[in-house]
Amino acid sequence: KAGVTQTPRYLIKTRGQQVTLSCSPISGHRSVSWYQQTPGQGLQFLFEYFSETQRNKGNFPGRFSGRQFSNSRSEMNVSTLELGDSALYLCASSRAGVRYEQYFGPGTRLTVT
Amino acid sequence: KNQVEQSPQSLIILEGKNCTLQCNYTVSPFSNLRWYKQDTGRGPVSLTIMTFSENTKSNGRYTATLDADTKQSSLHITASQLSDSASYICVVSAAGGSSNTGKLIFGQGTTLQVKP
Repeated sequence: KAGVTQTPRYLIKTRGQQVTLSCSPISGHRSVSWYQQTPGQGLQFLFEYFSETQRNKGNFPGRFSGRQFSNSRSEMNVSTLELGDSALYLCASSRAGVRYEQYFGPGTRLTVT
Repeated sequence: KNQVEQSPQSLIILEGKNCTLQCNYTVSPFSNLRWYKQDTGRGPVSLTIMTFSENTKSNGRYTATLDADTKQSSLHITASQLSDSASYICVVSAAGGSSNTGKLIFGQGTTLQVKP
């Protein structure tokens, strides 16, 4: 069974630009969650999607948004990038929700200059 | 306030030695507790997941314990190997309004370095 895949793996952007990250969950998993990981803050929850609907949302500004498609693939978008957005963005999928075991992808390393 | 605290923040041990990582939480209502291993630059990988009724769970050389009364968990690594060098993250799931929702509260992690 293929694991969670994320693309791209590395990305360099300039302040003010926007970026879209992609996540393909494990086949059969309907829940996709996104996390931001920085050395200072650790792992922080961004949002969770289930059956194309955002079900949970963390405490991040509206510049961070996401969506989920009918095949459960998910995208995350960050607009008007700031230097502080530099982080490892992780996607995790689970069968039915965050209360179930989650499987993480390798992450996308975003650097904002 | 829901919180997960891990100790120590970092740890250095010699190859072959055992070690124990601690996790204290104040999360309510409690759903389950997980330990993840994260290698540098990679996504976390699940080691164990324990519910309220489970007090010990093993995965190879990794053994997790849970004391739901004191709200403490530990991860014991036996006969450490160089490949155990990683960050270990304790995550507690809080039950939500419906059966599948809820939220995850992450600890800051313990960085383990195993030296030859």
